Amino acid sequence: SQQGEEDPQALSIQEGENATMNCSYKTSINNLQWYRQNSGRGLVHLILIRSNEREKHSGRLRVTLDTSKKSSSLLITASRAADTASYFCATGAGNKLTFGGGTRVLVKP
Amino acid sequence: DGGITQSPKYLFRKEGQNVTLSCEQNLNHDAMYWYRQDPGQGLRLIYYSQIVNDFQKGDIAEGYSVSREKKESFPLTVTSAQKNPTAFYLCASMSTGWNSPLHFGNGTRLTVT
Repeated sequence: SQQGEEDPQALSIQEGENATMNCSYKTSINNLQWYRQNSGRGLVHLILIRSNEREKHSGRLRVTLDTSKKSSSLLITASRAADTASYFCATGAGNKLTFGGGTRVLVKP
Repeated sequence: DGGITQSPKYLFRKEGQNVTLSCEQNLNHDAMYWYRQDPGQGLRLIYYSQIVNDFQKGDIAEGYSVSREKKESFPLTVTSAQKNPTAFYLCASMSTGWNSPLHFGNGTRLTVT
Protein backbone atom coordinates (compact mmCIF):
# COMPACT_ATOMS: atom_id res chain seq x y z
CA SER A 1 0.00 0.00 0.00
CA GLN A 2 1.22 3.53 -0.68
CA GLN A 3 1.32 5.86 2.26
CA GLY A 4 1.93 9.09 0.39
CA GLU A 5 -0.05 10.29 -2.60
CA GLU A 6 1.20 13.18 -4.71
CA ASP A 7 -0.96 15.70 -6.49
CA PRO A 8 -0.96 16.56 -9.33
CA GLN A 9 0.30 13.47 -11.15
CA ALA A 10 1.82 15.67 -13.85
CA LEU A 11 2.73 19.33 -14.16
CA SER A 12 3.92 21.36 -17.14
CA ILE A 13 5.30 24.88 -16.64
CA GLN A 14 7.49 27.46 -18.38
CA GLU A 15 11.03 28.09 -17.28
CA GLY A 16 11.08 30.74 -14.56
CA GLU A 17 7.67 29.83 -13.15
CA ASN A 18 7.15 28.21 -9.77
CA ALA A 19 6.09 24.57 -9.43
CA THR A 20 4.02 23.33 -6.50
CA MET A 21 3.17 19.74 -5.72
CA ASN A 22 1.39 18.23 -2.75
CA CYS A 23 1.62 15.02 -0.80
CA SER A 24 -0.97 13.48 1.49
CA TYR A 25 -0.40 10.59 3.82
CA LYS A 26 -2.45 8.44 6.15
CA THR A 27 -0.61 7.44 9.32
CA SER A 28 1.71 8.99 11.89
CA ILE A 29 5.21 9.76 10.69
CA ASN A 30 8.64 10.64 12.07
CA ASN A 31 9.55 12.64 9.00
CA LEU A 32 8.58 13.35 5.41
CA GLN A 33 11.14 13.43 2.64
CA TRP A 34 11.14 14.61 -0.98
CA TYR A 35 13.17 12.98 -3.72
CA ARG A 36 13.81 13.71 -7.38
CA GLN A 37 14.23 11.10 -10.10
CA ASN A 38 15.54 11.82 -13.57
CA SER A 39 14.39 9.39 -16.23
CA GLY A 40 15.95 5.95 -15.88
CA ARG A 41 18.02 6.91 -12.85
CA GLY A 42 17.97 6.40 -9.11
CA LEU A 43 16.30 8.81 -6.73
CA VAL A 44 18.15 11.75 -5.25
CA HIS A 45 17.27 13.08 -1.81
CA LEU A 46 16.16 16.72 -1.82
CA ILE A 47 14.94 17.63 1.64
CA LEU A 48 13.76 16.07 4.89
CA ILE A 49 11.29 17.69 7.25
CA ARG A 50 10.72 16.29 10.69
CA SER A 51 7.26 15.81 12.16
CA ASN A 52 7.80 18.68 14.61
CA GLU A 53 8.82 21.14 11.86
CA ARG A 54 6.40 23.18 9.77
CA GLU A 55 8.56 24.64 7.03
CA LYS A 56 12.02 24.07 5.61
CA HIS A 57 14.04 25.71 2.85
CA SER A 58 16.92 24.48 0.74
CA GLY A 59 18.06 26.72 -2.11
CA ARG A 60 15.08 27.10 -4.47
CA LEU A 61 13.08 24.46 -2.60
CA ARG A 62 10.51 25.16 0.09
CA VAL A 63 8.72 22.36 1.91
CA THR A 64 5.82 22.69 4.30
CA LEU A 65 4.33 20.07 6.57
CA ASP A 66 0.89 20.14 8.19
CA THR A 67 0.60 17.10 10.45
CA SER A 68 -2.99 17.98 11.42
CA LYS A 69 -4.00 17.62 7.77
CA LYS A 70 -1.41 14.90 7.07
CA SER A 71 -0.13 16.81 4.07
CA SER A 72 3.03 18.39 2.72
CA SER A 73 3.87 20.62 -0.20
CA LEU A 74 7.04 21.10 -2.24
CA LEU A 75 7.57 24.43 -3.98
CA ILE A 76 10.31 24.86 -6.58
CA THR A 77 10.85 28.54 -7.29
CA ALA A 78 12.17 30.02 -10.54
CA SER A 79 12.17 26.64 -12.27
CA ARG A 80 14.80 25.65 -14.82
CA ALA A 81 14.74 23.10 -17.64
CA ALA A 82 17.08 20.97 -15.49
CA ASP A 83 14.27 20.65 -12.91
CA THR A 84 12.39 18.39 -15.34
CA ALA A 85 12.03 15.14 -13.41
CA SER A 86 9.66 13.10 -11.28
CA TYR A 87 9.29 14.15 -7.67
CA PHE A 88 8.33 11.74 -4.91
CA CYS A 89 7.36 12.22 -1.30
CA ALA A 90 8.27 9.51 1.16
CA THR A 91 7.06 9.13 4.71
CA GLY A 92 9.31 7.71 7.38
CA ALA A 93 8.32 5.63 10.36
CA GLY A 94 11.33 4.05 12.00
CA ASN A 95 13.84 2.88 9.40
CA LYS A 96 11.22 2.25 6.74
CA LEU A 97 10.27 4.74 4.03
CA THR A 98 7.08 4.47 1.99
CA PHE A 99 6.85 6.32 -1.33
CA GLY A 100 3.99 7.91 -3.18
CA GLY A 101 3.33 7.62 -6.91
CA GLY A 102 5.16 10.82 -7.83
CA THR A 103 4.55 14.05 -9.73
CA ARG A 104 6.08 14.29 -13.20
CA VAL A 105 7.26 17.84 -13.81
CA LEU A 106 8.11 19.20 -17.25
CA VAL A 107 9.80 22.60 -17.40
CA LYS A 108 9.66 24.03 -20.90
CA PRO A 109 12.46 26.38 -21.97
CA ASP B 1 33.65 8.54 -3.76
CA GLY B 2 31.10 6.84 -1.52
CA GLY B 3 27.99 5.47 -3.06
CA ILE B 4 25.84 2.55 -4.07
CA THR B 5 26.63 0.41 -7.08
CA GLN B 6 24.01 -1.68 -8.77
CA SER B 7 24.91 -4.10 -11.51
CA PRO B 8 24.17 -4.79 -14.21
CA LYS B 9 22.30 -1.75 -15.54
CA TYR B 10 20.24 -3.90 -17.92
CA LEU B 11 19.42 -7.58 -17.48
CA PHE B 12 17.51 -9.90 -19.77
CA ARG B 13 16.26 -13.32 -18.74
CA LYS B 14 13.97 -16.02 -20.00
CA GLU B 15 10.84 -16.83 -18.07
CA GLY B 16 11.39 -19.56 -15.49
CA GLN B 17 14.98 -18.59 -14.67
CA ASN B 18 16.11 -17.15 -11.36
CA VAL B 19 18.22 -14.01 -11.59
CA THR B 20 20.29 -12.17 -8.97
CA LEU B 21 20.73 -8.41 -8.90
CA SER B 22 23.81 -7.02 -7.21
CA CYS B 23 23.91 -4.08 -4.78
CA GLU B 24 27.09 -2.91 -3.07
CA GLN B 25 27.58 0.17 -0.87
CA ASN B 26 30.69 1.77 0.61
CA LEU B 27 28.86 4.31 2.75
CA ASN B 28 29.17 2.17 5.89
CA HIS B 29 25.38 2.23 6.22
CA ASP B 30 23.69 -0.38 8.37
CA ALA B 31 20.33 -0.43 6.60
CA MET B 32 19.76 -1.49 2.99
CA TYR B 33 16.60 -1.67 0.92
CA TRP B 34 15.23 -3.05 -2.34
CA TYR B 35 12.43 -1.27 -4.16
CA ARG B 36 10.59 -2.12 -7.35
CA GLN B 37 9.37 0.57 -9.75
CA ASP B 38 6.95 -0.06 -12.61
CA PRO B 39 6.58 2.41 -15.50
CA GLY B 40 5.05 5.70 -14.37
CA GLN B 41 4.63 4.40 -10.84
CA GLY B 42 6.10 5.01 -7.43
CA LEU B 43 8.40 2.71 -5.50
CA ARG B 44 7.24 -0.39 -3.67
CA LEU B 45 9.35 -1.97 -0.94
CA ILE B 46 10.43 -5.57 -1.54
CA TYR B 47 12.84 -6.34 1.32
CA TYR B 48 14.96 -4.41 3.77
CA SER B 49 17.76 -5.21 6.17
CA GLN B 50 18.81 -3.19 9.19
CA ILE B 51 21.81 -5.30 10.21
CA VAL B 52 23.95 -8.09 8.82
CA ASN B 53 22.30 -11.53 8.78
CA ASP B 54 18.84 -10.07 9.33
CA PHE B 55 16.19 -8.87 6.89
CA GLN B 56 12.45 -8.22 6.77
CA LYS B 57 9.80 -8.53 4.10
CA GLY B 58 8.42 -5.37 2.60
CA ASP B 59 5.08 -4.90 0.90
CA ILE B 60 5.71 -7.11 -2.14
CA ALA B 61 8.20 -9.82 -1.05
CA GLU B 62 6.51 -12.77 -2.77
CA GLY B 63 8.72 -14.25 -5.48
CA TYR B 64 11.86 -12.52 -4.21
CA SER B 65 14.66 -13.51 -1.83
CA VAL B 66 17.62 -11.66 -0.30
CA SER B 67 20.69 -12.27 1.80
CA ARG B 68 22.81 -9.96 3.95
CA GLU B 69 26.05 -11.78 4.70
CA LYS B 70 28.16 -8.62 4.58
CA LYS B 71 27.37 -5.06 5.59
CA GLU B 72 28.34 -3.81 2.13
CA SER B 73 26.25 -6.20 0.07
CA PHE B 74 22.53 -6.91 -0.27
CA PRO B 75 21.81 -9.03 -3.36
CA LEU B 76 18.25 -9.59 -4.55
CA THR B 77 17.18 -12.80 -6.28
CA VAL B 78 14.12 -12.65 -8.50
CA THR B 79 12.80 -16.19 -8.57
CA SER B 80 10.67 -17.96 -11.14
CA ALA B 81 7.78 -17.66 -8.66
CA GLN B 82 7.58 -13.90 -9.27
CA LYS B 83 4.67 -13.62 -11.68
CA ASN B 84 5.55 -10.30 -13.28
CA PRO B 85 9.27 -9.68 -12.77
CA THR B 86 9.89 -7.15 -15.56
CA ALA B 87 10.54 -3.85 -13.76
CA PHE B 88 13.13 -1.31 -12.65
CA TYR B 89 14.81 -2.37 -9.39
CA LEU B 90 16.35 0.16 -7.06
CA CYS B 91 18.66 -0.51 -4.14
CA ALA B 92 19.16 2.02 -1.37
CA SER B 93 20.93 2.40 1.93
CA MET B 94 20.48 4.50 5.03
CA SER B 95 22.55 5.23 8.11
CA THR B 96 20.96 4.46 11.45
CA GLY B 97 18.59 6.99 12.94
CA TRP B 98 14.99 7.76 12.25
CA ASN B 99 15.67 11.01 10.42
CA SER B 100 18.12 9.90 7.78
CA PRO B 101 17.71 10.07 4.02
CA LEU B 102 17.97 7.14 1.63
CA HIS B 103 20.88 6.95 -0.79
CA PHE B 104 19.99 5.21 -4.04
CA GLY B 105 21.89 3.32 -6.70
CA ASN B 106 21.12 3.91 -10.36
CA GLY B 107 18.95 0.85 -10.70
CA THR B 108 18.81 -2.35 -12.71
CA ARG B 109 16.23 -2.69 -15.46
CA LEU B 110 15.17 -6.34 -15.65
CA THR B 111 13.32 -7.68 -18.66
CA VAL B 112 11.94 -11.20 -18.59
CA THR B 113 10.53 -12.70 -21.77
